[in-house]
Amino acid sequence: EPEVTQTPSHQVTQMGQEVILRCVPISNHLYFYWYRQILGQKVEFLVSFYNNEISEKSEIFDDQFSVERPDGSNFTLKIRSTKLEDSAMYFCASSEGAGDPYEQYFGPGTRLTVT
Amino acid sequence: QQQVKQSPQSLIVQKGGISIINCAYENTAFDYFPWYQQFPGKGPALLIAIRPDVSEKKEGRFTISFNKSAKQFSLHIMDSQPGDSATYFCAAERPGTYKYIFGTGTRLKVLA
Repeated sequence: EPEVTQTPSHQVTQMGQEVILRCVPISNHLYFYWYRQILGQKVEFLVSFYNNEISEKSEIFDDQFSVERPDGSNFTLKIRSTKLEDSAMYFCASSEGAGDPYEQYFGPGTRLTVT
Repeated sequence: QQQVKQSPQSLIVQKGGISIINCAYENTAFDYFPWYQQFPGKGPALLIAIRPDVSEKKEGRFTISFNKSAKQFSLHIMDSQPGDSATYFCAAERPGTYKYIFGTGTRLKVLA
């Protein structure tokens, strides 16, 4: 069964450093998303991406964040200057279309630890 | 208005029992309500979903009950099994948006 993959599974970085989280969405999917989950809290939407453009972003997704689809298979989330509060599990998701009945398939996540 | 409130935070059920997780929302524009199941170390996976034009949807041992007037919906897991032990998230989506608003999650433990 096709699945969303994410690398690395765990990333440790120092405050102020740049990090890039990588995702390979399911191959025929057209919509891509990033969510994050701070330990013990709910999953929060960050951004959605379609046709090489951001479709929607949350208030969390400020100028420190950017997304890119550098080639036909990867989808990346860049955090330019990490803060302690960026420590969280970051989930990538993809869907064939937008909204019901198109399910969003989630990857296993990247745990980001900022020290 | 954008929140989805979920309860309980954690739940312990005996094997064979019924697990019930509740969610409530304020925004009447939400029109799609999925439930996700998450095992440790894995991403959330869609379990079952409902639209507000039906009051109940059943898939195997999993049932969503939907009360549109009360703006509440719940997940019932019948004949709960130890393999059901996971974190369950309800979510909601507004039409024309590309994002899910998740509840805070319920950690379910089913005792053997």
